[in-house]
Amino acid sequence: DADVTQTPRNRITKTGKRIMLECSQTKGHDRMYWYRQDPGLGLRLIYYSFDVKDINKGEISDGYSVSRQAQAKFSLSLESAIPNQTALYFCATSDLYRGRETQYFGPGTRLLVL
Amino acid sequence: EDQVTQSPEALRLQEGESSSLNCSYTVSGLRGLFWYRQDPGKGPEFLFTLYSAGEEKEKERLKATLTKKESFLHITAPKPEDSATYLCAATTHGSSNTGKLIFGQGTTLQVKP
Repeated sequence: DADVTQTPRNRITKTGKRIMLECSQTKGHDRMYWYRQDPGLGLRLIYYSFDVKDINKGEISDGYSVSRQAQAKFSLSLESAIPNQTALYFCATSDLYRGRETQYFGPGTRLLVL
Repeated sequence: EDQVTQSPEALRLQEGESSSLNCSYTVSGLRGLFWYRQDPGKGPEFLFTLYSAGEEKEKERLKATLTKKESFLHITAPKPEDSATYLCAATTHGSSNTGKLIFGQGTTLQVKP
């Protein structure tokens, strides 16, 4: 079984709709991240969370919100989707050990906003 | 501004033809340099982390090295299954409390039989 799962894997939605992308992990990690990937722009950080009560904005958080329902679950919401939010979305998890940290990524959600 | 740049953007090799991918970084205090492999439509898969200049790590046909300005991913005698996009990313001492990875654009490698 995969350590980091994302649902749905593919989603088509219309402008103005609210949608939620979900991420679950079985790695037991405290830290979770949401990234988006666009051709030519690489991976960019949207939000991150270090525990259930800790939520922080990344470099491109406008138009997005998140919820950390449990240590293992971190959801990303698009309040009112717009076409330029069409992208690949990745969840990642990590653990900090002796000052060192490695992020492990989920399989991604391909989102198309019409 | 912290930046990670990878070259070339794309690389085509014949099976068995060794080569290197470059990742140059200009960051305020490198904490860690990461290499990931990404297959089309999939999430990045962790390969290596390097923490200090002179450090090297190997895995099968891949070897990653680090200097004070750049990292190289050497691919020895590649096979078609090594075809993928290779991503380089850095964390800095300034970002250590966020865990933020600064990604390069990636190098897309195609290995022909």
